[in-house]
Amino acid sequence: AQSVAQPEDQVNVAEGNPLTVKCTYSVSGNPYLFWYVQYPNRGLQFLLKYITGDNLVKGSYGFEAEFNKSQTSFHLKKPSALVSDSALYFCAVSHYSNYQLIWGAGTKLIIKP
Amino acid sequence: EAGVTQFPSHSVIEKGQTVTLRCDPISGHDNLYWYRRVMGKEIKFLLHFVKESKQDESGMPNNRFLAERTGGTYSTLKVQPAELEDSGVYFCASSQDLRGFTDTQYFGPGTRLTVL
Repeated sequence: AQSVAQPEDQVNVAEGNPLTVKCTYSVSGNPYLFWYVQYPNRGLQFLLKYITGDNLVKGSYGFEAEFNKSQTSFHLKKPSALVSDSALYFCAVSHYSNYQLIWGAGTKLIIKP
Repeated sequence: EAGVTQFPSHSVIEKGQTVTLRCDPISGHDNLYWYRRVMGKEIKFLLHFVKESKQDESGMPNNRFLAERTGGTYSTLKVQPAELEDSGVYFCASSQDLRGFTDTQYFGPGTRLTVL
């Protein structure tokens, strides 16, 4: 069965520092991995995805994620955090056998000025 | 280009009542999905339409939930009768189906349903 784990309920980072939001997955075969962000009172916004190719994926708002097959991880990163990055971040995986996304529980990111 | 829209944004109903949620996908997107997030838990898949046909409804919790997609355009999700455990945020998403399961799904703002 496919699954996604986001081990941290909340991550606190000072503005200007680098941030990492962790995601690990379990799926048979090739994983297709996604990051979405939900700002307060807003819907889910697509950030980036990994399908194949370069393990480092760049996305919206200066975010990037690194696919690590041996560690079955897809951590979201940003070199310098902004207060406006404060939001709820979700990692998700899909599989060739169906179109549905399997989601992690979400990580609340708080950037302090 | 307009994004995915959902109506209403909030709905508060009594247990036993009926509620209908609506989703308008991005124009031209054949794939439409419903998901829900209950009580701060993981977002769970409900079902997937390709045009007007139900491709996968394996996530529908029970027969109190009925989804339709008239003419392959907008979709409705009806809950009848609503129960307390149906409370949560219902998200709709659409995708263009250029490459199937690797397609990006674009989400609407969600409908927050509260059953009292």
